[in-house]
Amino acid sequence: QSALTQPPSASGSPGQSVTISCTGTSSDVGGYNYVSWYQQHPGKAPKLMISAVSKRPSGVPDRFSGSKSGNTASLTVSGLQAEDEADYYCSSYAGGHTFVFGGGTKLTVL
Amino acid sequence: EVQLVESGGGLVQPGGSLRLSCEASGLTFSTTWMDWVRQAPGKGLVWVSRINPDGRTTGYADSVKGRFTVSRDNAKNTLFLQMNSLRVEDTAVYYCIVDRSGEFDYWGQGTLVTVSS
Repeated sequence: QSALTQPPSASGSPGQSVTISCTGTSSDVGGYNYVSWYQQHPGKAPKLMISAVSKRPSGVPDRFSGSKSGNTASLTVSGLQAEDEADYYCSSYAGGHTFVFGGGTKLTVL
Repeated sequence: EVQLVESGGGLVQPGGSLRLSCEASGLTFSTTWMDWVRQAPGKGLVWVSRINPDGRTTGYADSVKGRFTVSRDNAKNTLFLQMNSLRVEDTAVYYCIVDRSGEFDYWGQGTLVTVSS
């Protein structure tokens, strides 16, 4: 159960797009379509932004999108807004009723 | 509205035990998979444990296997996490979570566990 690999930081200017990667193995990200993304603002509980690789829950802006290729999943935030500045975490099912999170990416809106 | 309220956190010495509870409302608890996720101060999220609706199927992170036990009381809409042989590195905020096919879509506010001498 090794943590998924995310870049520690990412940044972009308002209106730009930024993509955050999440790399695992064939035993987690590559083996299942149960990859989710969470947004966490300081002092708050995480919020589900993307589920099942690319499904957007009700209420999540369509500026947020997800995809997967092989053992790497990605979260893209288009049309960056100030309120998008937060920590983002990916997670994946890893078999045997276990899950694994990524180390998190701090997104800064310049 | 789904609400998850954790309790039971606090200060405990290394080697000690603690039992966390999570009272759920606004959902059909008896048909819902539930998980625990923790977050050490200033660190990232770490998945801890999962339990199926009837309590017979569970999963644990390697770091807590053999020390932590997840259980539930569907009559009281309550999820538990029994934590034994606690270590300094178990210090974290522990979140109770609704698990819909791996989608963690409802989170509690968390309860802080501090393991220190």
